[in-house]
Amino acid sequence: DQQVKQNSPSLSVQEGRISILNCDYTNSMFDYFLWYKKYPAEGPTFLISISSIKDKNEDGRFTVFLNKSAKHLSLHIVPSQPGDSAVYFCAASDRGSRLTFGEGTQLTVNP
Amino acid sequence: DARVTQTPRHKVTEMGQEVTMRCQPILGHNTVFWYRQTMMQGLELLAYFRNRAPLDDSGMPKDRFSAEMPDATLATLKIQPSEPRDSAVYFCASGHGHTQYFGPGTRLTVL
Repeated sequence: DQQVKQNSPSLSVQEGRISILNCDYTNSMFDYFLWYKKYPAEGPTFLISISSIKDKNEDGRFTVFLNKSAKHLSLHIVPSQPGDSAVYFCAASDRGSRLTFGEGTQLTVNP
Repeated sequence: DARVTQTPRHKVTEMGQEVTMRCQPILGHNTVFWYRQTMMQGLELLAYFRNRAPLDDSGMPKDRFSAEMPDATLATLKIQPSEPRDSAVYFCASGHGHTQYFGPGTRLTVL
């Protein structure tokens, strides 16, 4: 039972344009959501998070949106840069420290 | 710049051999996690600890895997005996609250 799903295995965008990565979840007990970025041969790096009491959190070029009624969150990167090319994982937590991860989306930003 | 460290970074071994992976969590973090990443399964939680006590190891094959925290600065994941299907990248992460910080991983190859 995949409680956190990232339906797009890959996404390709042009440098300077917006990248939108999507994530859906099924467990209504999730109360905190995170995005991680992973480069090859490295561990995942924390990027940005959002609590379930908010619907938007912004940090520089990165914004996470949460739609609780749809059980959907998205990560917007604008403007996209070639250095953003990586695998992006969304993750969710249910009142504890344990995270459930999606399968990841490979983002490629073309110069 | 506090980081999670893992040793070894790479391990090649033969089927049936014992493998021990080590992790030094970030000082002050009270939760430690072990994940496995394979091509097919994404990031799979194997076990986690809070304040050095094991909270959940349901993700681990009990007959061959064991995880311990002998002290606050060291977490170990042991596989005995190892099998080719254990080939994967093993990540350790530590955290305090919702956010987890990952180490660089140990790439294990079992021949």
